[in-house]
Amino acid sequence: EAGVTQSPTHLIKTRGQQATLRCSPISGHTSVYWYQQALGLGLQFLLWYDEGEERNRGNFPPRFSGRQFPNYSSELNVNALELEDSALYLCASGRQGTDTQYFGPGTRLTVL
Amino acid sequence: GIQVEQSPPDLILQEGANSTLRCNFSDSVNNLQWFHQNPWGQLINLFYIPSGTKQNGRLSATTVATERYSLLYISSSQTTDSGVYFCAVGSSNTGKLIFGQGTTLQVKP
Repeated sequence: EAGVTQSPTHLIKTRGQQATLRCSPISGHTSVYWYQQALGLGLQFLLWYDEGEERNRGNFPPRFSGRQFPNYSSELNVNALELEDSALYLCASGRQGTDTQYFGPGTRLTVL
Repeated sequence: GIQVEQSPPDLILQEGANSTLRCNFSDSVNNLQWFHQNPWGQLINLFYIPSGTKQNGRLSATTVATERYSLLYISSSQTTDSGVYFCAVGSSNTGKLIFGQGTTLQVKP
């Protein structure tokens, strides 16, 4: 069974640009979760999508947004990039009705 | 919100030694997972253990939900066990996992 995949592996942007990160869940999983791991701030919950709907959102500004497609893959968009958005962005997926989250390898975003 | 505290923050062991990592949480949860973060950043699932005891090879975990703590045991440690171990808790109606700050384990040959 293939795991959660994320693309790209690395992304370099400049301040003010937009970044798009992609995530494909494990086959059969309908939920996708996004987390940010920034230096000194630990792992923080960003967004939860299930069945195409946003179910919950962490304490992040509106310029962090995303969507989930009919095939359950997901995109995370970060607009008006700031230097402090530099972080490892981790995506996880889960099966409906269960709590276990399985993580992908992450996308490392660097904002210059 | 729920607070998660892991101890110790850092641990250095000789290969072959045993260790115990602790996770305390401040409120009732129905989701608790242990992860190992590899050097490339990926979180590897170790256990889903909101209560009870589980074992997987040299690793085992125990969660005492009524006392709000969980323990991860590593026996006969190997250099490949090095990395950061995270405990994360949550409730199923939020989808949100709250992570502790992690325990950084270094196993020396």
